[in-house]
Amino acid sequence: QKEVEQDPGPLSVPEGAIVSLNCTYSNSAFQYFMWYRQYSRKGPELLMYTYSSGNKEDGRFTAQVDKSSKYISLFIRDSQPSDSATYLCAMGGNTGKLIFGQGTTLQVKP
Amino acid sequence: DGGITQSPKYLFRKEGQNVTLSCEQNLNHDAMYWYRQDPGQGLRLIYYSQIVNDFQKGDIAEGYSVSREKKESFPLTVTSAQKNPTAFYLCASSRDRAFSNQPQHFGDGTRLSIL
Repeated sequence: QKEVEQDPGPLSVPEGAIVSLNCTYSNSAFQYFMWYRQYSRKGPELLMYTYSSGNKEDGRFTAQVDKSSKYISLFIRDSQPSDSATYLCAMGGNTGKLIFGQGTTLQVKP
Repeated sequence: DGGITQSPKYLFRKEGQNVTLSCEQNLNHDAMYWYRQDPGQGLRLIYYSQIVNDFQKGDIAEGYSVSREKKESFPLTVTSAQKNPTAFYLCASSRDRAFSNQPQHFGDGTRLSIL
């Protein structure tokens, strides 16, 4: 079993939809969680960083962490065609390496 | 603008050839990393460095080598011993020591292919 599981998609939604992207993990030592957005032929760009359970909001993006269920989510409201990209979750603990999900490809259709 | 610069963007390797990928950062970050990204897989750690003249192997270091002679620079050499080098290579950096709770920031990658 992989330490981090992420559905690769692809996920296709119409413009304006609410998008939910998810990762599950097995290592209870993970303490901080990140979401990256990666456009084609580009490097990952940090979108959200959270260090505790609960929600964190930044504009149209909300990151949610549920440590008891070992489950994290990224919600995108009012999705735009410019949101079409691959979204990577990543997580780590104090002394361990950063573990990445394999990424979910999202396409937002106009 | 602060950031991480990787060059070249595209690189081709011939049989038996060593090639070097450049990574430079002006973020004044202590830690730097090299990852390999293959289609449908998460990022896999090749090497990382916490400080000048120090570096550690990651999960897939065989066939690769690095150096850290300056804080700003962390070049990766893909040697002829790496039999499957075709991939997208990403360099990252983070403030403070490696794998602390600081997020990693990435360059725009180098795509390496075999001729």
